[in-house]
Amino acid sequence: KAGVTQTPRYLIKTRGQQVTLSCSPISGHRSVSWYQQTPGQGLQFLFEYFSETQRNKGNFPGRFSGRQFSNSRSEMNVSTLELGDSALYLCAVTSGGPSEAFFGQGTRLTVV
Amino acid sequence: GESVGLHLPTLSVQEGDNSIINCAYSNSASDYFIWYKQESGKGPQFIIDIRSNMDKRQGQRVTVLLNKTVKHLSLQIAATQPGDSAVYFCAETPNNNAGNMLTFGGGTRLMVKP
Repeated sequence: KAGVTQTPRYLIKTRGQQVTLSCSPISGHRSVSWYQQTPGQGLQFLFEYFSETQRNKGNFPGRFSGRQFSNSRSEMNVSTLELGDSALYLCAVTSGGPSEAFFGQGTRLTVV
Repeated sequence: GESVGLHLPTLSVQEGDNSIINCAYSNSASDYFIWYKQESGKGPQFIIDIRSNMDKRQGQRVTVLLNKTVKHLSLQIAATQPGDSAVYFCAETPNNNAGNMLTFGGGTRLMVKP
């Protein structure tokens, strides 16, 4: 069964700082996608990594970036944080098609 | 708990009643349609999916209906239980075999009254 661990669960950062979030698929699923969830915009796709390569990218500024390692673990980085970056960041892993995406519990980022 | 949407449409039902949650989509090229349930403090959880070449699919207590003519998707929950209280999202993904990108709807909050 798919599983995914996101760390940290909660994070508070100051405007202008940068942050790195981590997503670790338990069973080595090769596809990892990242989503931003806010009350105003809902769930929005950030990017997807497959076999260490970015396969899809959403409509976010270049301050948002990511990478994937050979063990399928993925990180996303946000530089020059803005107050509007406060959100729940979710990663989803799949071993097959999009209907098999399994979401982590997310990282709650608060920018002050 | 986490607040996933301050101004979500809300559906309030009595325990034991059936619930119907609706979703409109815009991309006629979408191939998979998926319903997710999100409880407070958790990530979205897969409920059921349907492919574009189908119009109905049933699971345990849930049924998804797809009307491609009007680009409408619905989730029916039979005998709604307090544990069904959550925010429900529809999601779609195109048939381009190029990834797992999901486009989500705005969500509906389901409240089950005991």
